[in-house]
Amino acid sequence: AQSVTQLDSHVSVSEGTPVLLRCNYSSSYSPSLFWYVQHPNKGLQLLLKYTSAATLVKGINGFEAEFKKSETSFHLTKPSAHMSDAAEYFCVVRVSNYQLIWGAGTKLIIKP
Amino acid sequence: NAGVTQTPKFQVLKTGQSMTLQCAQDMNHNSMYWYRQDPGMGLRLIYYSASEGTTDKGEVPNGYNVSRLNKREFSLRLESAAPSQTSVYFCASSEALQEDPRRIFGPGTRLTVL
Repeated sequence: AQSVTQLDSHVSVSEGTPVLLRCNYSSSYSPSLFWYVQHPNKGLQLLLKYTSAATLVKGINGFEAEFKKSETSFHLTKPSAHMSDAAEYFCVVRVSNYQLIWGAGTKLIIKP
Repeated sequence: NAGVTQTPKFQVLKTGQSMTLQCAQDMNHNSMYWYRQDPGMGLRLIYYSASEGTTDKGEVPNGYNVSRLNKREFSLRLESAAPSQTSVYFCASSEALQEDPRRIFGPGTRLTVL
């Protein structure tokens, strides 16, 4: 069975410091993986996606994620946090054409 | 170009009442979806419509029905609302499934069932 685990429900960093949001997945074959962001009271927006091309994927707003098959991880990083990055982030694995499995989400808190 | 729109934004129902959540997209997407979002659980797929004229169950279809009215519109109906259906509901659409399964999401409907 395929699954997604986001290892932290909340992450708090100071503005200007690096961000690391952790995601592990379980998949029986090479997966397609995504990160979505949800700002308060807003819909969800695709940050980036991995579909078996380059293992380091660059997304919007300076975020990137690295696919590590040996560790079954797809952690999201950003070198320097900005106040506008405060949101909830979801790691997602594609199961079929129509089905995505969503992680429980990580709330990113940015301290001034 | 509004993307995906949902109405209403908020709704409060009493147990046993019925209502329909409306969703429309103006991107000429073939596929549309309904998800619910509950705290600590991520999104769960309720129903989807791969193309106009087809609908299929997702992970949590019980208590819901859907109608793909035309290519633009996909509605979600609660026939007899229950407190367990208190949630935030998101409609989404997508275009090319195999190559690029990204979803474009609407702003959500926050539903409370008392």
